[in-house]
Parts: sequence; structure tokens; C-alpha cells
Amino acid sequence: DQQVKQNSPSLSVQEGRISILNCDYTNSMFDYFLWYKKYPAEGPTFLISISSIKDKNEDGRFTVFLNKSAKHLSLHIVPSQPGDSAVYFCAASASESSGDKLTFGTGTRLAVRP
Amino acid sequence: DGGITQSPKYLFRKEGQNVTLSCEQNLNHDAMYWYRQDPGQGLRLIYYSQIVNDFQKGDIAEGYSVSREKKESFPLTVTSAQKNPTAFYLCASAGSQETQYFGPGTRLLVL
Repeated sequence: DQQVKQNSPSLSVQEGRISILNCDYTNSMFDYFLWYKKYPAEGPTFLISISSIKDKNEDGRFTVFLNKSAKHLSLHIVPSQPGDSAVYFCAASASESSGDKLTFGTGTRLAVRP
Repeated sequence: DGGITQSPKYLFRKEGQNVTLSCEQNLNHDAMYWYRQDPGQGLRLIYYSQIVNDFQKGDIAEGYSVSREKKESFPLTVTSAQKNPTAFYLCASAGSQETQYFGPGTRLLVL
């Protein structure tokens, strides 16, 4: 049972344009969401997070939007740069029931074309 | 400088052999985690520890064992009972907030 889903395995975007990566979840107990970026053969790097009490969090070129009613979050990268090409993982936790355990999606591979 | 280290970067296991993957952190984090990544899949939790001398099974603990004798260290042993050990293994740690920070990973291959 995949509780965190990233339905697009890949995405290709022109440099300078906006990249939008999507993530859906099924567990209504999730209250904290994170995005990680991962290069091949390296550990994931934390990008940005959002608590369920917010619907938007912004950090430079990265913005995460949370729609609790739709159980959906998205990561916007604008403007996209070639160095953003990587696999992006969405993750979620239900702090009250599972401590700090994270449930990960299967990832979306972003390719930014020069 | 602070961070999470994993060693070795590559590890080869023979049939029937136990191997141990090292994970060390100097971030003073209480919680540590082990994940496994297979091609085309997300990260799956093997074991986690929220405090020294205590740990819990994750979603795929069979064939693995851990110990947490020191706050800084959380080694993972892949036992001979793990029939499909070839994967990329990632260690993470977390402090008082819920964000987990990852090490560089160890790739385990079976000879």
C-alpha cells in the first residue's frame, strides 16, 4: 500500500521555466511533508518542508504548496536550472503516531534542458 | 565539520556471509535511521532508533540487525538471511525537528 505517491516518474523542463513536481498521499494522519533531491549514488539532500498548519512555504527558488483537502502537495522550482536535474522524493510523517518515521514516494526524475 | 558518514562506499558480500555497514554522525542527533533504495523505488525503512540502546523495526527489517550502543553510531548488519541484499543503503539522522539528514550511502553487491 503506497501511502505517498509520485505518479510522474519523469519530467523534462526547459531552463528558465517552472518545474512542478507533484505528490499525493492517502494517510490523513500525515502532518509534516518534506522534499529531498537526490543525485545518483549519493544520499538525498533536504530541500524544503511544510507543516500541515501551513499551505505554502518558500525558500529561494523552491516553493512547496500543500492542499490538505485534496491530500496533495507540489514543489515548484522557478526558474529551473540545469543543476536542478536530479531525482526528487516527496516524504511525509505522522508525528503523533509514528514519531519521526518518514514514508517516501518513489521519486520523480527531473531533467532541465539548457 | 558536522555530518553523517557511511563506510564503506562499496561493499561486496559472499553467499552466506554477514556484513556490517557503518554509520556515524557528529550532529548530536538522537534519532538514526537505515533505509534501503532499489532501482525505481523510493526509500524503504529498515530499522530506526530514537535513543541510545533502543531501536525498532521498520517496514523491511527481516534479514537485518542493528545496534545503538553510542549516540553517534548506528551500524547495520546484513545477515545471510537477507536473500536479496543488493541495494543502495542510506543512513539518516534527525534532531529535535523532524527533518532527516542523510549520509552518502553504501552500495552492497553480492558476489
